[in-house]
Amino acid sequence: DTAVSQTPKYLVTQMGNDKSIKCEQNLGHDTMYWYKQDSKKFLKIMFSYNNKELIINETVPNRFSPKSPDKAHLNLHINSLELGDSAVYFCASSFQMGQGEKLFFGSGTQLSVL
Amino acid sequence: RKEVEQDPGPFNVPEGATVAFNCTYSNSASQSFFWYRQDCRKEPKLLMSVYSSGNEDGRFTAQLNRASQYISLLIRDSKLSDSATYLCVVNSRGGTSYGKLTFGQGTILTVHP
Repeated sequence: DTAVSQTPKYLVTQMGNDKSIKCEQNLGHDTMYWYKQDSKKFLKIMFSYNNKELIINETVPNRFSPKSPDKAHLNLHINSLELGDSAVYFCASSFQMGQGEKLFFGSGTQLSVL
Repeated sequence: RKEVEQDPGPFNVPEGATVAFNCTYSNSASQSFFWYRQDCRKEPKLLMSVYSSGNEDGRFTAQLNRASQYISLLIRDSKLSDSATYLCVVNSRGGTSYGKLTFGQGTILTVHP
């Protein structure tokens, strides 16, 4: 069973489109995250949710809107996609936040904006 | 200055070699430290936590120097399967940094026969 699963694995789309990436974890974790890894391989946190509540919201354009319907799911919706949004997006979860806990990552979504 | 800095490498070493990576961090309030491993086109996975007293896991040894704000990872007897990118990760607490893991750029290691 996959612990953190995200779909789709690949997403190719045109500029200006709206797209969503879904993430689910079956680990019973309280905290979920979205990270972006750009072409230079830097992994940067975008958002984190703890028990469906937004905890961290880094400097991310408001075209990006996370939604957590329950603590096992954290989806990412992106409006008006731009070329610079092309990256790999990783969902992750952890048991708790701020305790030096281990992060479990999904396998990533490669987003290509043409 | 970046919050977490690593030499991106690449480090190319033969099997059996010993290799060490260093990482520096800028936030002196940082509380927790980790090394993650990322294989090509895969997700990062926790390799080991780094404790103040230093810790070892098989061929891997991690050290923390709080005074100088750096972390190191030593790999002994390198295997081909150690080829990957090694990510230094720091967890800062307090203020807006609460619970935020900051990743370094990663150090690429290639172990060759």
